Amino acid sequence: NAGVTQTPKFRILKIGQSMTLQCTQDMNHNYMYWYRQDPGMGLKLIYYSVGAGITDKGEVPNGYNVSRSTTEDFPLRLELAAPSQTSVYFCASSYSQGLWGGELFFGEGSRLTVL
Amino acid sequence: DQQVKQNSPSLSVQEGRISILNCDYTNSMFDYFLWYKKYPAEGPTFLISISSIKDKNEDGRFTVFLNKSAKHLSLHIVPSQPGDSAVYFCAADEAFNAGNNRKLIWGLGTSLAVNP
Repeated sequence: NAGVTQTPKFRILKIGQSMTLQCTQDMNHNYMYWYRQDPGMGLKLIYYSVGAGITDKGEVPNGYNVSRSTTEDFPLRLELAAPSQTSVYFCASSYSQGLWGGELFFGEGSRLTVL
Repeated sequence: DQQVKQNSPSLSVQEGRISILNCDYTNSMFDYFLWYKKYPAEGPTFLISISSIKDKNEDGRFTVFLNKSAKHLSLHIVPSQPGDSAVYFCAADEAFNAGNNRKLIWGLGTSLAVNP
């Protein structure tokens, strides 16, 4: 199993450009998440999905959009990139969010710089 | 306001000695706590967890202790090895929208260096 795969690993964008960060998992997990990690900071939840066709906002959703058309894929769309979106983005998945939460499996991260 | 606090940004220990990483939380509704380990240029990986009905959970060299009255947990690594050098994140599980849509609240991490 590849686990959680993110592409691209690195990207430089100009202000106002748009792009999509791809995320796919092969573990048949229902739950998927997008986090961002700014330097010296913890992980902040951007969006999450509890299954195909269902998405919801996390703590910091402004400037982003997501879709979940299949169980495997959970792309993150940045519209009109801003310097404040310079960060490392992590996609994660989990089997469940049951009573005791669920172990998250993370991708390797995508480092985005907006200039 | 930081609900999960890891007050030590960094920690340095000698190989073979004990590493103790601390985490404090403010929300008494947290009922599940996890530690993740992160190497540079990689995503975090799950290390160990503990539910609020326990005060200790052990997995090999890693033990997590939970003190609910003090809202404090700690991760002990014994003996420490150079390969343990990484950033360790504490995370707490919080009910979200009073349903099953739980989300994790993350600390800022502690960078552990284990010196040979």
